[in-house]
Amino acid sequence: AQSVAQPEDQVNVAEGNPLTVKCTYSVSGNPYLFWYVQYPNRGLQFLLKYITGDNLVKGSYGFEAEFNKSQTSFHLKKPSALVSDSALYFCAVRDARSGYSTLTFGKGTMLLVSP
Amino acid sequence: DGGITQSPKYLFRKEGQNVTLSCEQNLNHDAMYWYRQDPGQGLRLIYYSQIVNDFQKGDIAEGYSVSREKKESFPLTVTSAQKNPTAFYLCASTNTRTSGGVSGELFFGEGSRLTVL
Repeated sequence: AQSVAQPEDQVNVAEGNPLTVKCTYSVSGNPYLFWYVQYPNRGLQFLLKYITGDNLVKGSYGFEAEFNKSQTSFHLKKPSALVSDSALYFCAVRDARSGYSTLTFGKGTMLLVSP
Repeated sequence: DGGITQSPKYLFRKEGQNVTLSCEQNLNHDAMYWYRQDPGQGLRLIYYSQIVNDFQKGDIAEGYSVSREKKESFPLTVTSAQKNPTAFYLCASTNTRTSGGVSGELFFGEGSRLTVL
């Protein structure tokens, strides 16, 4: 079975400060890891993914994420937050070994960036 | 432009009625999915389809039905058997036949919000 945990329901950060949204995962094999963002009453937008290779993955809108196999984590980061980054963020995982499997999503973390 | 179109955006239903949510994609993706989103619960998989005329139940399929008669279309029917249908419904697709295979990301529609009166 595969699972994702996002331990924080909400993260608050001031504009211009660095932000981190945490994600830990559990899979039997190697993970494929994804981050998505959702604005109110909208669909999810893909930000970035880790498949293999460099542990630091860069994505859209200046976001990046660091894959840490020993800690089974895939935290989302941005060096300088913008008010427009305020949204709901989802981490997701798929087990690469299973041939075909669906994505499992975390419960989401609301990011609030204050001016 | 290529993408996924969900309709209607907002839908109101009386108890005991079936409703069908539309999902159409022009991305030439083979796999399509339906998710349900409730506040604080993330996304839960209802049904998915990897090829035409075939689909599988997800984690919360009870009270829902789907069909996949065309590659582009994957409608979801919320039946009267669904005990608590008020939610935000998201359709997604991906191409599992490229070199990326199952490492490919999902593309989402804008969602349909169903409210039972």
